Amino acid sequence: DQQVKQNSPSLSVQEGRISILNCDYTNSMFDYFLWYKKYPAEGPTFLISISSIKDKNEDGRFTVFLNKSAKHLSLHIVPSQPGDSAVYFCAARGTYKYIFGTGTRLKVLA
Amino acid sequence: DGGITQSPKYLFRKEGQNVTLSCEQNLNHDAMYWYRQDPGQGLRLIYYSQIVNDFQKGDIAEGYSVSREKKESFPLTVTSAQKNPTAFYLCASSPRPGANTEAFFGQGTRLTVV
Repeated sequence: DQQVKQNSPSLSVQEGRISILNCDYTNSMFDYFLWYKKYPAEGPTFLISISSIKDKNEDGRFTVFLNKSAKHLSLHIVPSQPGDSAVYFCAARGTYKYIFGTGTRLKVLA
Repeated sequence: DGGITQSPKYLFRKEGQNVTLSCEQNLNHDAMYWYRQDPGQGLRLIYYSQIVNDFQKGDIAEGYSVSREKKESFPLTVTSAQKNPTAFYLCASSPRPGANTEAFFGQGTRLTVV
């Protein structure tokens, strides 16, 4: 059973517009969530995180929103740039481990 | 420079052979992890370790083994019992198990069975 789900395998966005990547989770005990960016044949790099005591966290062009009642989080990238084209993974911190979603491939069109 | 080093970057194995993937970190992190990436399946947890001389199975541990004899090192052995070993393997570490911190990843090892 998949505890962290990213239901959109891919997303295309025009340069300069907003990219919104979504993630759902099933375990209400999760209390820390993260987003990673991954290029092919490389390890994921950490982007931004949010604790369950918050509903929003911003870092530059990246904002993560958490809706605990819906068990949903989203990553907003504004403005989107061609260099943002990559696979984005949502993750939740479980008991002593990180649980990842299946990823969303973002393509930013110039 | 602190970081996680995985070696080799590419590895070829004949069917029926065991192979060991190396993971070393100099971040002084307590916790270490092994993940496997297959197309469309995200990152699946193979094994994790919270402390030296202790490790736990993840979701897909069958056909794999690990050791954690030193804090810096968490090698993964892919045994001949692993039915479909061709994949991209990622090692990660985090400062303290259970803390609200991110995991740091190595650059990965691409294993191909020939």
